Amino acid sequence: DADVTQTPRNRITKTGKRIMLECSQTKGHDRMYWYRQDPGLGLRLIYYSFDVKDINKGEISDGYSVSRQAQAKFSLSLESAIPNQTALYFCATSDREREQFFGPGTRLTVL
Amino acid sequence: SQQGEEDPQALSIQEGENATMNCSYKTSINNLQWYRQNSGRGLVHLILIRSNEREKHSGRLRVTLDTSKKSSSLLITASRAADTASYFCATVKTGANNLFFGTGTRLTVIP
Repeated sequence: DADVTQTPRNRITKTGKRIMLECSQTKGHDRMYWYRQDPGLGLRLIYYSFDVKDINKGEISDGYSVSRQAQAKFSLSLESAIPNQTALYFCATSDREREQFFGPGTRLTVL
Repeated sequence: SQQGEEDPQALSIQEGENATMNCSYKTSINNLQWYRQNSGRGLVHLILIRSNEREKHSGRLRVTLDTSKKSSSLLITASRAADTASYFCATVKTGANNLFFGTGTRLTVIP
């Protein structure tokens, strides 16, 4: 089984809809992250969490919110989706400042 | 943003040749990491080099770090078609806890 899983893997939605992307990990890491990737670009950090009671904004948090339900679960919400949020979204985990382990990604299209 | 920049943006070589990718960054770092991404998939960690290290090897990978020039290079020796992917450098800034990704080098290895 994969160490970091994301659901759904693909989602098409309409402008204004609320969307939740979910991430689960079995690595036992305290740190979890949400990134977005746009074509031809690197990853940009949306939010990160270093433990269940810790939530921090990243570079591009506007229009997004997160919830850390448990050590193993970190969800990303788009309260009112807009077309420029169309992107590939990745969840990742890490043990302190060491390497990060990524999920397979969620391809989100906002029409 | 401390996002790094990779050079070249794209690289095409014959199988068996060596591939060299470069990364430059802007501020002092704790460590620098290289990741690989197959098309549309999650990133996979390749190697981490700390700020007090100058060179590191892992299999066919060789990474160098020059903190005075704020640059790093990734060398893949004896390339294979399966090495075709995008390669990203990412830095952990001194005093920070997060990774900042570069824009990547797209490597194509021709069989």
